Amino acid sequence: EPEVTQTPSHQVTQMGQEVILRCVPISNHLYFYWYRQILGQKVEFLVSFYNNEISEKSEIFDDQFSVERPDGSNFTLKIRSTKLEDSAMYFCASRGTGGYGYTFGSGTRLTVV
Amino acid sequence: GQQLNQSPQSMFIQEGEDVSMNCTSSSIFNTWLWYKQDPGEGPVLLIALYKAGELTSNGRLTAQFGITRKDSFLNISASIPSDVGIYFCAGRRYGNKLVFGAGTILRVKS
Repeated sequence: EPEVTQTPSHQVTQMGQEVILRCVPISNHLYFYWYRQILGQKVEFLVSFYNNEISEKSEIFDDQFSVERPDGSNFTLKIRSTKLEDSAMYFCASRGTGGYGYTFGSGTRLTVV
Repeated sequence: GQQLNQSPQSMFIQEGEDVSMNCTSSSIFNTWLWYKQDPGEGPVLLIALYKAGELTSNGRLTAQFGITRKDSFLNISASIPSDVGIYFCAGRRYGNKLVFGAGTILRVKS
């Protein structure tokens, strides 16, 4: 079964450092997303991306966040200057055109110290 | 607003029992989805619902899109130990954004 692949699975970073979280969506999918889940809380929408541009973003996705699809397979989330409260699981998701059943990756656990 | 109220928060049931959980909102949703999340993993799609009144099954799982479009339920029949995990409802109003419920933690006693 096709998978969304995320790397790394766990990243520890110093407060104020930049991090890039990487995702390889399912190859024929056109819509890409980042969600995050703070430990013990619900999954929250960050951003959606289609046709090489952001189509929607949440209040969480401020100027410190950016997304990029640098080539035909990768989809990245960059946090420019990490804060302690950025510590969370970050999930990448993708979907095709056949419905809204998003496929999520296994996540990257980001720990900011 | 777009909050989803999911209940119950947790359940501890005997193996073989049926399970029911639901999500409600004050807003209308156009798509309802049910996901299961195991520890340290991402949500895995169980069932997607697209029309009011739609009833869809996936093995022992059955979910319905409420007729008012403001609620959905998920039933699991004859629960087994591997059903343990966190079950999330998610709704889509317009566009691409999913709103998630807070989750139902399912523990099964064998």
